[in-house]
Amino acid sequence: GAVVSQHPSWVICKSGTSVKIECRSLDFQATTMFWYRQFPKQSLMLMATSNEGSKATYEQGVEKDKFLINHASLTLSTLTVTSAHPEDSSFYICSAGPGTGVLGAQYFGPGTRLTVT
Amino acid sequence: GENVEQHPSTLSVQEGDSAVIKCTYSDSASNYFPWYKQELGKRPQLIIDIRSNVGEKKDQRIAVTLNKTAKHFSLHITETQPEDSAVYFCAASPYRGSTLGRLYFGRGTQLTVWP
Repeated sequence: GAVVSQHPSWVICKSGTSVKIECRSLDFQATTMFWYRQFPKQSLMLMATSNEGSKATYEQGVEKDKFLINHASLTLSTLTVTSAHPEDSSFYICSAGPGTGVLGAQYFGPGTRLTVT
Repeated sequence: GENVEQHPSTLSVQEGDSAVIKCTYSDSASNYFPWYKQELGKRPQLIIDIRSNVGEKKDQRIAVTLNKTAKHFSLHITETQPEDSAVYFCAASPYRGSTLGRLYFGRGTQLTVWP
């Protein structure tokens, strides 16, 4: 149980285009999902908290107009990188957890490696 | 907000030896502490977690200890094997309504187990 999938696993796009990344909870419902960015040999940097049915909460320094998050259902959150630039190239990874109430374990998707040329 | 410090950043051990990774946290409201293992190019995988009402938890060769008073927790791996080589991340999660479920991560420890 507690499986999180992500699609695509890797994508190459041209500068100026937009890319959508999907994060799905396969065997549980998730009212909250988290989006991270990870640079090589670095820790996970939280970008935003995705809330089902409401606006995402962005971390300080993350451009909400550039990184659009939509959490349209209890099993799907999407991250769209708009007008991508080479500096947006990174490993994007989501997490979600089946816990309700106080605290629960978070499980990560396999990640999406984005390369902007 | 919460601040998690993790040490050491790199750790090399001989196969069969033990490895210990230590983390400290700043927010006394944190009460959930998971550990993740991340192999190169792969997702972080939850290997063990502990909640603040427990001082120690063990799962085969892996154990985690928590000292709430001192605000630190540690990961212990015994009888290490080459396949334990990976980056290990500690995290802390405060129980507050607006940040429920959010994890604050340490910088990671690159563990290398030499055969």
